[in-house]
Amino acid sequence: QSALTQPASVSGSPGQSITISCTGTSSDVGSYNLVSWYQQHPGKAPKVMIYEVSERPSGVSNRFSGSKSGNTASLTISGLQAEDEADYYCCSHAGRSTVTFGGGTKLTVL
Amino acid sequence: QLQLRESGPGLVKPSETLSLTCTVSGGSISSSGYYWGWIRQPPGEGLEWIGSIYYSGTTYYNPSLKSRVTISVDTSKNQFSLKLSSVTAADTALYYCARQVGAGKYYFDYWGQGTLVTVSS
Repeated sequence: QSALTQPASVSGSPGQSITISCTGTSSDVGSYNLVSWYQQHPGKAPKVMIYEVSERPSGVSNRFSGSKSGNTASLTISGLQAEDEADYYCCSHAGRSTVTFGGGTKLTVL
Repeated sequence: QLQLRESGPGLVKPSETLSLTCTVSGGSISSSGYYWGWIRQPPGEGLEWIGSIYYSGTTYYNPSLKSRVTISVDTSKNQFSLKLSSVTAADTALYYCARQVGAGKYYFDYWGQGTLVTVSS
């Protein structure tokens, strides 16, 4: 079970859209529509933003959306706002009721 | 509103066993359809799933940690616990407990604030 691969950092200007990728294998991301995304502000606990690839929990802005193609899942944030600046982690079911996280991506709002 | 709170020693000596407890309030740990998990985050690094438990006692562990991890549940106290044996400096991390949605969904919807555990002599 290996960590999923995410870019270390992405950036964008307010109002723009950004996409964060999360690459796994045919044993995790590629096999299950069970990818979730978490936002973590400094000193805070993670917060789920997307589950089951593209589902948004109640209360999460519709500016956040998720998708998947093959072994790669993606999180897109549209209409970027200053408050979106945070670390983002993907997570996937990896078989036998185990999960694995990505290494995390730091989003900077310019 | 469901709340989770981690508790336990903040300092553990190398080779000893790390022990943490998560107390759940505002809901029952025996609710069907939910697992209860431990996730850790070394300083400045990413998240690592340690393992999860169902109220019945069924457990699932990260294969890389399985030989050293034990997760247990006490439904009478609405708590679940983590034991990690033979710790080294690499186990220094912020340890979170979280509720994991079951029924084939596997995501974490409620998190504790985390507790920092340092492994040092």
